[in-house]
Amino acid sequence: EAGVTQSPTHLIKTRGQQATLRCSPISGHTSVYWYQQALGLGLQFLLWYDEGEERNRGNFPPRFSGRQFPNYSSELNVNALELEDSALYLCASSLAGREAFFGQGTRLTVV
Amino acid sequence: AQTVTQSQPEMSVQEAETVTLSCTYDTSESDYYLFWYKQPPSRQMILVIRQEAYKQQNATENRFSVNFQKAAKSFSLKISDSQLGDAAMYFCAYIASTGANSKLTFGKGITLSVRP
Repeated sequence: EAGVTQSPTHLIKTRGQQATLRCSPISGHTSVYWYQQALGLGLQFLLWYDEGEERNRGNFPPRFSGRQFPNYSSELNVNALELEDSALYLCASSLAGREAFFGQGTRLTVV
Repeated sequence: AQTVTQSQPEMSVQEAETVTLSCTYDTSESDYYLFWYKQPPSRQMILVIRQEAYKQQNATENRFSVNFQKAAKSFSLKISDSQLGDAAMYFCAYIASTGANSKLTFGKGITLSVRP
């Protein structure tokens, strides 16, 4: 069974550009979580989608947005990139109320 | 709202010894799950162990076991016979089984180093 896949694995953007990160959950999982992790730090909760709906949002500005598609895959968009957006972005999927499994992450570098 | 607290930012253990990582949580839910995740230098998050709140028996996975104290809202991870490969960041996590609070919530993590 395929695990959670994220693409791309690495992304380099310049300040002010937009970045799009993608996540494919484990088959059958309806929930997708997005987290930001700066180097050496903990996980900052970004967004939680379940059954196509945004269920919760972390303390991030509106330029961080996303969506979940009918096949439960998800996209995270970051507009007007800033240098401090450079981080590892982790996606996780789960059945609602169960353990989550993580993808390998997307390393976003803003220069 | 649910919270997960890991108050120790770092710990160190001698190879082959035992170490316990602490975690407390706060919730008003009665049905939930607790987890420990490991993040090695590769930064891949790996599920180590899970505990269902309705089960009184502590979960065990090989060298990893938990001490789940529901009344005290405490969920510690014990690593026995520590190995160099156990060096990683460990995160405690909580999720309510149903409803709007079934959002996966993490503690801040603890960095574990293993001395050879």
